[in-house]
Amino acid sequence: GNSVTQMEGPVTLSEEAFLTINCTYTATGYPSLFWYVQYPGEGLQLLLKATKADDKGSNKGFEATYRKETTSFHLEKGSVQVSDSAVYFCALEIKAAGNKLTFGGGTRVLVKP
Amino acid sequence: DADVTQTPRNRITKTGKRIMLECSQTKGHDRMYWYRQDPGLGLRLIYYSFDVKDINKGEISDGYSVSRQAQAKFSLSLESAIPNQTALYFCATSDPGQGPVETQYFGPGTRLLVL
Repeated sequence: GNSVTQMEGPVTLSEEAFLTINCTYTATGYPSLFWYVQYPGEGLQLLLKATKADDKGSNKGFEATYRKETTSFHLEKGSVQVSDSAVYFCALEIKAAGNKLTFGGGTRVLVKP
Repeated sequence: DADVTQTPRNRITKTGKRIMLECSQTKGHDRMYWYRQDPGLGLRLIYYSFDVKDINKGEISDGYSVSRQAQAKFSLSLESAIPNQTALYFCATSDPGQGPVETQYFGPGTRLLVL
């Protein structure tokens, strides 16, 4: 079956620090990969996505590269802000399998001023 | 106005009660989903519907039922609530389109506490 594994949190950082959240996956098929973000009290929002190997998704200063050889999609940001405090979810989707999303467990990130 | 709305936003109920969570969307999407979120487990799919006449069980459908009243409305019912159904529930919508990826759009969530 399909699964997504991401590092457990919470991750606590100071403002302007470098952030990495690891995500690896197993999939029967060729998945598209996503990062969703959940700000406090809100629903999930799509942060970025990548549909094929070596694609780089980017948004709001965040980046993630689809690495087929290591089955990974790590999220990075070079200089975090307090407003980046949220829970981040890695997810995969296989369109041929009905487009159902499989989520990782989520990583809570807390950025302190 | 939000594209995907959920009511209520918070609900406290007692064991054995029947409750309904509602979801409405203005995005015009055919596909709708219900998930529950538990700490450390991410989101898990309860039910999904690809159109008004197509409803499918997800990975954790036991104890839940759904109704797709119209393209824009998808309701989740707990027939007899139990404490381990305490969770955050999300509705989502999507449009398959023609591209290689289908983005899901989430509502703000309903926080349910079963006593």
